[in-house]
Amino acid sequence: KNEVEQSPQNLTAQEGEFITINCSYSVGISALHWLQQHPGGGIVSLFMLSSGKKKHGRLIATINIQEKHSSLHITASHPRDSAVYICAVRRSQIIQGAQKLVFGQGTRLTINP
Amino acid sequence: NAGVTQTPKFRILKIGQSMTLQCTQDMNHNYMYWYRQDPGMGLKLIYYSVGAGITDKGEVPNGYNVSRSTTEDFPLRLELAAPSQTSVYFCASSYSKEWGNGYTFGSGTRLTVV
Repeated sequence: KNEVEQSPQNLTAQEGEFITINCSYSVGISALHWLQQHPGGGIVSLFMLSSGKKKHGRLIATINIQEKHSSLHITASHPRDSAVYICAVRRSQIIQGAQKLVFGQGTRLTINP
Repeated sequence: NAGVTQTPKFRILKIGQSMTLQCTQDMNHNYMYWYRQDPGMGLKLIYYSVGAGITDKGEVPNGYNVSRSTTEDFPLRLELAAPSQTSVYFCASSYSKEWGNGYTFGSGTRLTVV
């Protein structure tokens, strides 16, 4: 079983819908990241969370440390939100001198006009 | 400000050939990383560097080599390419020693080994 699991793997919705992408992890973490991978391949960082909730524009990210779960929400979705969304956790355990990242497999989101 | 530049964007290699994937950043970041992305899988760390002259292996280093002679450049060398190395390769850099914090990614290199 992967240490970081995202669901769903694929999501298609209509413009304007409220979107939720989930990330569950099984390791101890010191932070969780949400990334966006554009159709052209480039990856950008959206959020870094260690507790609670963060909001940026129409994007909201939440994390529940006790349940080892995070969600990324998109309100009033738009076709330009179509991308792959990736969850990554920074291990709290130090392995070979570093708290490395473990990546989820990504969620492919398609928003139709 | 170019950020992280990867070249080439696409490449097809024959089995047994060698090549170097170039990665250059102009942000004076100390920390640089090479990841590979396979379909349906999360990014996997190949090699990383915490500064010029210092490199270390990640999760999947076999078949690859790196060097870090300058702060700006972190090339990834594939020797004796194999079909298992078909993947999309991403270089990233950061100002922070905290993994994931402040990452800037390159646009990726799509490599096919036939």
